[in-house]
Amino acid sequence: AQSVTQLGSHVSVSEGALVLLRCNYSSSVPPYLFWYVQYPNQGLQLLLKYTTGATLVKGINGFEAEFKKSETSFHLTKPSAHMSDAAEYFCAVSPGQLTFGSGTQLTVLP
Amino acid sequence: NAGVMQNPRHLVRRRGQEARLRCSPMKGHSHVYWYRQLPEEGLKFMVYLQKENIIDESGMPKERFSAEFPKEGPSILRIQQVVRGDSAAYFCASSPQGSAARGTGELFFGEGSRLTVL
Repeated sequence: AQSVTQLGSHVSVSEGALVLLRCNYSSSVPPYLFWYVQYPNQGLQLLLKYTTGATLVKGINGFEAEFKKSETSFHLTKPSAHMSDAAEYFCAVSPGQLTFGSGTQLTVLP
Repeated sequence: NAGVMQNPRHLVRRRGQEARLRCSPMKGHSHVYWYRQLPEEGLKFMVYLQKENIIDESGMPKERFSAEFPKEGPSILRIQQVVRGDSAAYFCASSPQGSAARGTGELFFGEGSRLTVL
């Protein structure tokens, strides 16, 4: 069985500030980890993924995430928030069918 | 390149009616997944299909829900005798070669069908 916990259902940051969205996972086998973003009334779009290899993964729109096995974490970061980053972000784990966390709504304040 | 196409985008049904949601995968993709998103919750896996086969339906409610992906045409998620608790956004995703099942690939999502049951 596998699961994902996203700490903080709502996160607010000021424009230009660091974005940190937290994700912890549980998996009985080596995980594959994903971050998806969902804009209002749209489907999910892949931001980045970790499968094997380098533990620091870079994605689109300046986001990156680091796989830390010892902490069972895959936190998403972006050095400087932009207004257009306001959206809901989902962490997901596999193998097998993707299991999603409950999401974090990011608000960017002017 | 057309993405995953879902229709209708919005559907309103009264209790007891049937809801049919359609999904056309991306060109070249032969694997379709249905997920349900309830308000304030993440996406929950429902079913994984290939053409003419249900591969994994472990997330499907045992009653009233069914899914198909015929040889020709879109995948269809059917909900019979809808109840208010069925109100949700239903997302379809596709992938090539079942890569999501192996865990190394990504899913390509449609924009969802939002079902409201009155």
